[in-house]
Amino acid sequence: DAGVIQSPRHEVTEMGQEVTLRCKPISGHDYLFWYRQTMMRGLELLIYFNNNVPIDDSGMPEDRFSAKMPNASFSTLKIQPSEPRDSAVYFCASSSEGYFYNSPLHFGNGTRLTVT
Amino acid sequence: AQSVAQPEDQVNVAEGNPLTVKCTYSVSGNPYLFWYVQYPNRGLQFLLKYITGDNLVKGSYGFEAEFNKSQTSFHLKKPSALVSDSALYFCAVRGTSGTYKYIFGTGTRLKVLA
Repeated sequence: DAGVIQSPRHEVTEMGQEVTLRCKPISGHDYLFWYRQTMMRGLELLIYFNNNVPIDDSGMPEDRFSAKMPNASFSTLKIQPSEPRDSAVYFCASSSEGYFYNSPLHFGNGTRLTVT
Repeated sequence: AQSVAQPEDQVNVAEGNPLTVKCTYSVSGNPYLFWYVQYPNRGLQFLLKYITGDNLVKGSYGFEAEFNKSQTSFHLKKPSALVSDSALYFCAVRGTSGTYKYIFGTGTRLKVLA
C-alpha cells in the first residue's frame, strides 16, 4: 500500500499564476478530501468527494478554487489566480467507508504552497 | 453544529512521565471520535478511535484515550512519554447524523523533554 500520494511536495509561484495540486488516493477508497492547514486557521476542510462526485464544497474559500475528480484514482485542486494568502500546506486524504461510517482518514504528506 | 476543542496549545512533559492531551466535543447524536498525530513535514496519521463500547480505547504507539460522555471529553493519554512522542496532536469528531464530515480541533503540540 503506497498510501495517498500528493504532488508536488513544494510549489512556489508568483501571485496571479495558476496552481494545480494533485492527489492519488489509496486504491479502493471511495471518499477523498482536500484540507488546507495554516497556522492561523488550523486544518480546514475544503471539499470532499464520494465515488468521484463532489458532496460538500462549502469550505472552498472562493471561486478561484476548484477541485475535480475525473476518476477514482486521481483528483486535482486548482487555484486560479493564486494570491499570497493562499500560501498553506494542502493535504489530500482518502477513506474507505464501510457500513458503520467510522473509518479513519489516510493523509498524504501534503503540498506546501508558497505564493509570492 | 459539530465542534471540537483542544484547550491547550502546548503540553510539556518529562520523558517517562504520564501525558494527557485534552479534547472536548459537541456533536448531534452519538459521536465518532478520533486522535491523529502529525510529525514535521508529514500528513496526519491515525492513532485511535472511539465508536462504541469500552470507554477506554487503546491505539498505536502505546497511546490510549478515555471517552467520557457526561463531560463530552475524549482525552489522549500515555502512561510513559517518550521524546519521540513529541509532535502535533489533533482530536477529530464526526457525528452520526448529517453529512460525512470530520471536524478537527486546532491541535496540541506535545513536547517531551529528555
